[in-house]
Amino acid sequence: DVKVTQSSRYLVKRTGEKVFLECVQDMDHENMFWYRQDPGLGLRLIYFSYDVKMKEKGDIPEGYSVSREKKERFSLILESASTNQTSMYLCASSPTWGSEQYFGPGTRLTVT
Amino acid sequence: AQSVTQLDSQVPVFEEAPVELRCNYSSSVSVYLFWYVQYPNQGLQLLLKYLSGSTLVESINGFEAEFNKSQTSFHLRKPSVHISDTAEYFCAVSDRTGGFKTIFGAGTRLFVKA
Repeated sequence: DVKVTQSSRYLVKRTGEKVFLECVQDMDHENMFWYRQDPGLGLRLIYFSYDVKMKEKGDIPEGYSVSREKKERFSLILESASTNQTSMYLCASSPTWGSEQYFGPGTRLTVT
Repeated sequence: AQSVTQLDSQVPVFEEAPVELRCNYSSSVSVYLFWYVQYPNQGLQLLLKYLSGSTLVESINGFEAEFNKSQTSFHLRKPSVHISDTAEYFCAVSDRTGGFKTIFGAGTRLFVKA
């Protein structure tokens, strides 16, 4: 089974802090994704990566950056956390572009 | 532009009753279609997918979905639901015009009552 793990299930951070969310997949997938999930809005794509060191902006990249130094690891960075970034963050990976995605358990981030 | 509409935000239903969760998409080309399920405090799991071939696809736990190209729909059905089916369900689509980027619907919360 594909396994996608995320470094934390719950995080509480203060406004202005730098926040790192880590994601690791164990199936050698090329593609990795970061989404945020908010009630009534579904999943919104923040960033994605189709190869090591390659990254593309999704629909809502403002306030976020990413890093992919190794194929299995994709990190989401909030440079200066703000209260409107309080959300559920989901990482996913997929073997080919457009195919099914495999999700991690999510990180619920609260910024106070 | 590619989009996915889940017509119901919440669907309450009694145990053992049938259910249909509706999904419409906008695309004029070949599409890949997916249903994902999210149980409380968990990530999304793939429930079933349509890539090509038979328009009726089934999951291992009794759900099925039918790809209807003329109506651009991919509704999810189950003839008899269980309490354990209570979850949020997401429809998703990817197609060539969108560079095969996957777009998710807003989700439908299925609540099964005893």
